[in-house]
Amino acid sequence: EPEVTQTPSHQVTQMGQEVILRCVPISNHLYFYWYRQILGQKVEFLVSFYNNEISEKSEIFDDQFSVERPDGSNFTLKIRSTKLEDSAMYFCASTALLQSTDTQYFGPGTRLTVL
Amino acid sequence: GQQVMQIPQYQHVQEGEDFTTYCNSSTTLSNIQWYKQRPGGHPVFLIQLVKSGEVKKQKRLTFQFGEAKKNSSLHITATQTTDVGTYFCAGPPTIYDKVIFGPGTSLSVIP
Repeated sequence: EPEVTQTPSHQVTQMGQEVILRCVPISNHLYFYWYRQILGQKVEFLVSFYNNEISEKSEIFDDQFSVERPDGSNFTLKIRSTKLEDSAMYFCASTALLQSTDTQYFGPGTRLTVL
Repeated sequence: GQQVMQIPQYQHVQEGEDFTTYCNSSTTLSNIQWYKQRPGGHPVFLIQLVKSGEVKKQKRLTFQFGEAKKNSSLHITATQTTDVGTYFCAGPPTIYDKVIFGPGTSLSVIP
């Protein structure tokens, strides 16, 4: 079964540093998402992306965050200047259709630790 | 904005006992989705309900969508240790809105 992959599985960084989290969505999917989950808390929507532009973003997704689809397969989340409170699991997800009735397939996540 | 709530936050059961988690939204939902996240894992889609009053079953799991499309429940019959994890409900006001996740119910099963 096709799956979403994410790298790295764990990223440790110093506060103020830039990080890039990478995702490879399922190949025929068109809509991509980033979610964040702080340890022990709920999954929070960050941003959705379609046709090389942001479709929707949450209040969490401020100017420190950006997303990009640099080529035909990768989808990246960049945090420009990390803060301690950015420490969390970051999940990428993809769907074939731009409808919430379409199943979201989540990647295994990247654990970001900001020191 | 839309809020999705779940109760209980935690549930500990003896293996073989039943388990139910309840999900309530502050707004009407176009559909409700349920996900399971094993400890250390990622959310995995379980099921989606679309129609008012809809009930779906997956083996020992029974999912229900309320008549008003603002609440839902997940019931597990005769829990097993493999049921351990956090169960999240999620839903959007319309099919074109983003999916909002509830805080989850964490299930522990004591063998």
